[in-house]
Amino acid sequence: EPEVTQTPSHQVTQMGQEVILRCVPISNHLYFYWYRQILGQKVEFLVSFYNNEISEKSEIFDDQFSVERPDGSNFTLKIRSTKLEDSAMYFCASNAGVGYEQYFGPGTRLTVT
Amino acid sequence: GENVEQHPSTLSVQEGDSAVIKCTYSDSASNYFPWYKQELGKRPQLIIDIRSNVGEKKDQRIAVTLNKTAKHFSLHITETQPEDSAVYFCAARVAGNTPLVFGKGTRLSVIA
Repeated sequence: EPEVTQTPSHQVTQMGQEVILRCVPISNHLYFYWYRQILGQKVEFLVSFYNNEISEKSEIFDDQFSVERPDGSNFTLKIRSTKLEDSAMYFCASNAGVGYEQYFGPGTRLTVT
Repeated sequence: GENVEQHPSTLSVQEGDSAVIKCTYSDSASNYFPWYKQELGKRPQLIIDIRSNVGEKKDQRIAVTLNKTAKHFSLHITETQPEDSAVYFCAARVAGNTPLVFGKGTRLSVIA
């Protein structure tokens, strides 16, 4: 069964550094999302992406964040200057179309020191 | 925007008993309500979902009910097993491909 994949599984970075989190959505899916989950808390929406542009973003997704689909398979989340409070699990998700289920990747645990 | 409340935050049941987790939502336009199971350190896995044109859906030991008037929906797990132990999240979504809004999760412990 196809799955969303993410790399790396764990990223440790120093405050102020840039990080890029990578995702490969399921191949025939059209809608892509990034969510984050701070340890012990609920999953929070960051941004959605469709047709090579952002379709919606939350207030968490400020100017320090950006997303890109550099080729036909990868979907990336960049944090330009990481802060301690960016430490969280970041999940990528995708779905095939309107009304379809969202499938989550395994997540990248980001630790900012 | 949509707000989803989930109760209880923790739930312990004896193996074989039933477990019920309840969620309420605020946006009457929401029409899709999935439930995800998340084991420690793993991704959320969709276990069941329901759309607003249906009042109840069942899949083996798992069922979900939806009351649109009251804006609440519930997850029912019967004959619980130790492997049901996990964090369960409810979510809601307005029509289309708007993002999911999650509840805070319920940590279910099934005691053998």
